[in-house]
Amino acid sequence: SQQGEEDPQALSIQEGENATMNCSYKTSINNLQWYRQNSGRGLVHLILIRSNEREKHSGRLRVTLDTSKKSSSLLITASRAADTASYFCATDAWAAGNKLTFGGGTRVLVKP
Amino acid sequence: DVKVTQSSRYLVKRTGEKVFLECVQDMDHENMFWYRQDPGLGLRLIYFSYDVKMKEKGDIPEGYSVSREKKERFSLILESASTNQTSMYLCATSGPQDTQYFGPGTRLTVL
Repeated sequence: SQQGEEDPQALSIQEGENATMNCSYKTSINNLQWYRQNSGRGLVHLILIRSNEREKHSGRLRVTLDTSKKSSSLLITASRAADTASYFCATDAWAAGNKLTFGGGTRVLVKP
Repeated sequence: DVKVTQSSRYLVKRTGEKVFLECVQDMDHENMFWYRQDPGLGLRLIYFSYDVKMKEKGDIPEGYSVSREKKERFSLILESASTNQTSMYLCATSGPQDTQYFGPGTRLTVL
């Protein structure tokens, strides 16, 4: 089964609203990353948070990590139509030989 | 910026054909990866390579092989394509900072 699993699977919001998605994982990790994928394209790296960090910001993105709950959240503030995409979390763990393991993704639709 | 290119955006092949998917990166990265992406299953790792002529099986290597003769090029080979290999194939590369950089993907249809 997948190491990272996102929740919800799909999200629909109005432009200007915030979008929050969560990722849960099963084993201890070195770091957790979030990627975005526009329809039919490759993935683009958004942000990396290390296991000893609790929160990280990048522009309108805010990522939190709770290693005790084995979960992370990605918050997109003041969403724009261009934020419409699928968002994936990926974990990197010693147990997995430092390969990335991806979750199934959250599809976000931002309506203008 | 890292550039990762894949040989085709769309490819249609017939069952039993040998299929080559090529990936080239221009950042001198050691690590290269091949994934397939299917609805509801996310990305699954097929093969990866940490160096020239080195290859390691990922989670779903059956029916695939790879070749890494040069550092910048990592090829995925479907020895005898089958309809269940219809998928989106994504190549990625990573340097020492763990972030992976993806190509645009190849959508393969096997008829």
